[in-house]
Amino acid sequence: GAVVSQHPSRVICKSGTSVKIECRSLDFQATTMFWYRQFPKQSLMLMATSNEGSKATYEQGVEKDKFLINHASLTLSTLTVTSAHPEDSSFYICSARDGGRGPTEAFFGQGTRLTVV
Amino acid sequence: GQNIDQPTEMTATEGAIVQINCTYQTSGFNGLFWYQQHAGEAPTFLSYNVLDGLEEKGRFSSFLSRSKGYSYLLLKELQMKDSASYLCADLLNRDDKIIFGKGTRLHILP
Repeated sequence: GAVVSQHPSRVICKSGTSVKIECRSLDFQATTMFWYRQFPKQSLMLMATSNEGSKATYEQGVEKDKFLINHASLTLSTLTVTSAHPEDSSFYICSARDGGRGPTEAFFGQGTRLTVV
Repeated sequence: GQNIDQPTEMTATEGAIVQINCTYQTSGFNGLFWYQQHAGEAPTFLSYNVLDGLEEKGRFSSFLSRSKGYSYLLLKELQMKDSASYLCADLLNRDDKIIFGKGTRLHILP
């Protein structure tokens, strides 16, 4: 199956700093990638849809200036959490679908555990 | 809008069968997914249904009724490793984003 690689898997940062998370599709081109956030014992909440070569589409209630998304190529999307605060501590997961094969399952990255201290 | 409902928790015995139900009320429905997620890990794909009926894949089967807005995941011959959360998810046609339900935490007892 297709592989999506997410990096880093864990990161600890100080409050007020920024953190960048990378999501790569390794063996297919992803014109669209999705970013989710998951708090403990809760489900995945879609934050935004990342579109290659254009601006991301954010879900209601997600601050676009705080969660910067860049989709510079067909295989790479990045999420930058700016001016991180402890309440941003969460599990962030990206996913991508191989649109060339029609509606198929979404392949997920390994997730990034962000802890803001 | 979208509204996906599934039970919060279920408990079953090793070797038994369990059915996890999911109801949805969505616009632009284009298919329903089931994912398995172990604690601290990313979800893994189990099934995708877009037509009515039952699809069997080894110990796991998934059923869909579009007219009723209903799906279930059936797990047979339960093993301890099946203890996980099971996420029902809806593929929205408008922009192909997948929206997840809150998940069902399944506990397997020996």
